[in-house]
Amino acid sequence: QKEVEQNSGPLSVPEGAIASLNCTYSDRGSQSFFWYRQYSGKSPELIMFIYSNGDKEDGRFTAQLNKASQYVSLLIRDSQPSDSATYLCAVDNYGQNFVFGPGTRLSVLP
Amino acid sequence: SAVISQKPSRDICQRGTSLTIQCQVDSQVTMMFWYRQQPGQSLTLIATANQGSEATYESGFVIDKFPISRPNLTFSTLTVSNMSPEDSSIYLCSVVTSPSGGQYFGPGTRLLVL
Repeated sequence: QKEVEQNSGPLSVPEGAIASLNCTYSDRGSQSFFWYRQYSGKSPELIMFIYSNGDKEDGRFTAQLNKASQYVSLLIRDSQPSDSATYLCAVDNYGQNFVFGPGTRLSVLP
Repeated sequence: SAVISQKPSRDICQRGTSLTIQCQVDSQVTMMFWYRQQPGQSLTLIATANQGSEATYESGFVIDKFPISRPNLTFSTLTVSNMSPEDSSIYLCSVVTSPSGGQYFGPGTRLLVL
């Protein structure tokens, strides 16, 4: 059974700081990794995906993948109070479906 | 991405009744899924809705309780049958629009069973 793990948080960072969210996965054969943001009372929203080792940047967001260590992270630069949400990590399950982690709650303090 | 709508957006139902939730996408998609999410919890996959054939259910979910239809590439329904208060949850439809792509979620259906 594939597993995806995340610290549940809450992770609190001051406004303007870098928020670092981490995710580990159990299946070494996993190929595709996704980060979702979910505001309270809303459905998850896809914000980043990464397939290759290394970094992928999109605006204030950077996804980092290390397949050897089986972890993927999301960095949010210049964090804003509007970034306060739950961040879900998901791993593709060989094209059949996706396995989600429990999510990390991020709180950005003004 | 895709524009996904779900109906109803919320409902309050009596135990023992059934509710059918509809999911409509504005374009043809490769995969459709149904999830359940309890407040403050992560997503639990109920099943993969397969076009023209029986859905693929995850462990702990059965067709008699959660029958699913997917008559074409843009529409699916999930029925929650013989409801009990334990079925109170948010039910989410999601789609994948391209191979190796991520999922896009519908707005969800909030269900309260009394």
